Amino acid sequence: SAVISQKPSRDICQRGTSLTIQCQVDSQVTMMFWYRQQPGQSLTLIATANQGSEATYESGFVIDKFPISRPNLTFSTLTVSNMSPEDSSIYLCSVEGQGISYNEQFFGPGTRLTVL
Amino acid sequence: RKEVEQDPGPFNVPEGATVAFNCTYSNSASQSFFWYRQDCRKEPKLLMSVYSSGNEDGRFTAQLNRASQYISLLIRDSKLSDSATYLCAKGNTDKLIFGTGTRLQVFP
Repeated sequence: SAVISQKPSRDICQRGTSLTIQCQVDSQVTMMFWYRQQPGQSLTLIATANQGSEATYESGFVIDKFPISRPNLTFSTLTVSNMSPEDSSIYLCSVEGQGISYNEQFFGPGTRLTVL
Repeated sequence: RKEVEQDPGPFNVPEGATVAFNCTYSNSASQSFFWYRQDCRKEPKLLMSVYSSGNEDGRFTAQLNRASQYISLLIRDSKLSDSATYLCAKGNTDKLIFGTGTRLQVFP
């Protein structure tokens, strides 16, 4: 499976500021995804990051709050804008697998965000 | 009704026990299913894909029951290191939808 890294691994931010999270993959992948995992909860898909076009957002998530870039097939960023304490969460990127199982995904190590 | 539902547990079992988790899903059109393992403060790691014919990997067996719309994970001879949260997921077009996870605690 691909090696996926995320930066930063954690951050503590002030209300009203923005944080950009980077996701780097060691091989080219078509599909990259951004998830949020709030404390004690499961993973919720924020958006699919598409190379060369706008991201596809899930219900309840909007581009103004979570702008996403996907400049090439190995890199993506997610920005959490105008943060509030409710944005405190783990943010994970994932990529599609290269194996035979359709929909298989592998996750980066996550970014633990605390908003004060 | 949630698209993917799991019993949150915790399941507390002694070492060597056999434990089984079920995960129910809606939308019978789903074609792909997975079990992930998530350790505390870590990312989910793919444990197994779940095939229609069922599949086994060492002590782990996954099965799919399309008629009743559930998948299962059986762990035999539980080890202390199996303690984790087990997430089931189903594919929906290009996306995965996850359950809330079942927590397993194996004690000596």
